[in-house]
Amino acid sequence: AQSVAQPEDQVNVAEGNPLTVKCTYSVSGNPYLFWYVQYPNRGLQFLLKYITGDNLVKGSYGFEAEFNKSQTSFHLKKPSALVSDSALYFCAVRDRGSQGNLIFGKGTKLSVKP
Amino acid sequence: EAEVAQSPRYKITEKSQAVAFWCDPISGHATLYWYRQILGQGPELLVQFQDESVVDDSQLPKDRFSAERLKGVDSTLKIQPAELGDSAMYLCASSPGRAGSPLHFGNGTRLTVT
Repeated sequence: AQSVAQPEDQVNVAEGNPLTVKCTYSVSGNPYLFWYVQYPNRGLQFLLKYITGDNLVKGSYGFEAEFNKSQTSFHLKKPSALVSDSALYFCAVRDRGSQGNLIFGKGTKLSVKP
Repeated sequence: EAEVAQSPRYKITEKSQAVAFWCDPISGHATLYWYRQILGQGPELLVQFQDESVVDDSQLPKDRFSAERLKGVDSTLKIQPAELGDSAMYLCASSPGRAGSPLHFGNGTRLTVT
């Protein structure tokens, strides 16, 4: 069975500092991995994905994520956090052999203080 | 940029009443998903359509929930009768269905059952 773990309910960062939001996954085969962001009372916005190739993928708004197959991790990173990055972040996985449904983690609330 | 349209944005209903949500996916997207997101948790799949056919409804509480996508375009999710535990955000998403394609989400319907 597929699963995603986001071990931190909340991450607090000062503006201008680097941020990391952690994600680990479990799938039976090779994964497709995604990060989404959600603002209050809104749907999920796609940030980036890992399909194949380079382990470091770049996405929207300056975010990037590093795929680590041996650690089954896909941590979200940004070199310099902005107050406007404060939101709920979700990691999601899809087994390449599945029919397309994404399995989501529970989410991590990112709070960036001025 | 094309968006997934959902209505209504908010719905308050009394328990035992019927309620319906509507979703219009991005034009050309063959795959449509309905997710339920309980406060503080990640989205969980209720039903997935490929064109007008149901691909996965294993997590849909079929005694009270129904979903249809009659012409393979827009979709309706219905709850009858609503229960207090159905209070949640109901998210619709669509995808072109290609391997590795991200899901594109609407802004959701926030349901409150009183």
